[in-house]
Amino acid sequence: ETGVTQTPRHLVMGMTNKKSLKCEQHLGHNAMYWYKQSAKKPLELMFVYNFKEQTENNSVPSRFSPECPNSSHLFLHLHTLQPEDSALYLCASSQDLGPANEKLFFGSGTQLSVL
Amino acid sequence: GDSVTQMEGPVTLSEEAFLTINCTYTATGYPSLFWYVQYPGEGLQLLLKATKADDKGSNKGFEATYRKETTSFHLEKGSVQVSDSAVYFCALRGGSYIPTFGRGTSLIVHP
Repeated sequence: ETGVTQTPRHLVMGMTNKKSLKCEQHLGHNAMYWYKQSAKKPLELMFVYNFKEQTENNSVPSRFSPECPNSSHLFLHLHTLQPEDSALYLCASSQDLGPANEKLFFGSGTQLSVL
Repeated sequence: GDSVTQMEGPVTLSEEAFLTINCTYTATGYPSLFWYVQYPGEGLQLLLKATKADDKGSNKGFEATYRKETTSFHLEKGSVQVSDSAVYFCALRGGSYIPTFGRGTSLIVHP
């Protein structure tokens, strides 16, 4: 148990559906991240929030929409996805984005399949 | 920009064999270097780290030495166990303080 919980664990959706991924951390951290894990590719940073403010959007298509209502919760809203968006989506948190930020804590991920 | 290159897997070994997983990096300045491990069905967790040149990170029998001259941070273990079967990610943290990860290397250890 890392203290970062992601739901759902598995999600199958059609290209016209709208769904949301949820991430919750109980570590008192101030920074939260979304990463995309695809086979044989580097772990891909999508979004970063620090103290609820988005600090990084790594050229992610607009069909992915993040939301961070408070430092403990992070959402990824999905709509009109493509089959190539099928991947494992990982949420992570860290104390903050400063020099002492040396360790990320990851959730177990949501395995997304787009049909 | 920053990048991490890992050897392609899977790496398949017998129990008690010696393990090396290669990692090289490109970065400006003096990044911190990390190895994370992902066990089946789980997220990544930090395995070890090194923050400056010639530092050696170690944990659970795994070691890696920060080699600035070769821009490398290879992961080694003298005697692997079946329970070490996992995906191993090399990562660096540069001036932005946000880690950059490699593609991961799958390790399969047979009894």
